[in-house]
Amino acid sequence: SQTIHQWPATLVQPVGSPLSLECTVEGTSNPNLYWYRQAAGRGLQLLFYSVGIGQISSEVPQNLSASRPQDRQFILSSKKLLLSDSGFYLCAWSDRRGTDTQYFGPGTRLTVL
Amino acid sequence: AQKITQTQPGMFVQEKEAVTLDCTYDTSDPSYGLFWYKQPSSGEMIFLIYQGSYDQQNATEGRYSLNFQKARKSANLVISASQLGDSAMYFCAMSARGYQKVTFGTGTKLQVIP
Repeated sequence: SQTIHQWPATLVQPVGSPLSLECTVEGTSNPNLYWYRQAAGRGLQLLFYSVGIGQISSEVPQNLSASRPQDRQFILSSKKLLLSDSGFYLCAWSDRRGTDTQYFGPGTRLTVL
Repeated sequence: AQKITQTQPGMFVQEKEAVTLDCTYDTSDPSYGLFWYKQPSSGEMIFLIYQGSYDQQNATEGRYSLNFQKARKSANLVISASQLGDSAMYFCAMSARGYQKVTFGTGTKLQVIP
């Protein structure tokens, strides 16, 4: 069966510091991968998605970036965090041969102070 | 463009009763999928149920069923025999086939009362 991992689970960072969140998927190959952000009490905002290694599509221009160095690894980064980057970050995968159903990881709760 | 509308920000239901969470959608794509997710206070998004636009029958998964009315562009989630553990945020979502992306609604907060 497929499993998706995210780490860290929680993170508190000062403004201006760098960020690296990692997501890995097990039990599948060539998945579509997604990064979402959810502000407190709000819906999901798609940040990036990837259909293959090195292929990244950005949905919202901001100071975040994403990379996919391996087939089942997706990394969200920032060189300098802003207060507005605080939120709950969710990684998801889908099988491109399936129904587009997305399966989510446990999430990372980021607080920028 | 796709759009999902959930008009109920919050709902209450008595334990063991059934509840319907509303969802309407808008798309010009002929082939699409509809989804419901549950997000408990822990934050994880849990996939509940899927309905394809060409599926003839409404989808069911245990206590969850999706009331799909294509002409009305609605995809309501019905939870039967509510349990305390059903208290959570519920998100309706859709994707156009081959579009690779999913559009989410704003969610409905369900609270089950003992």
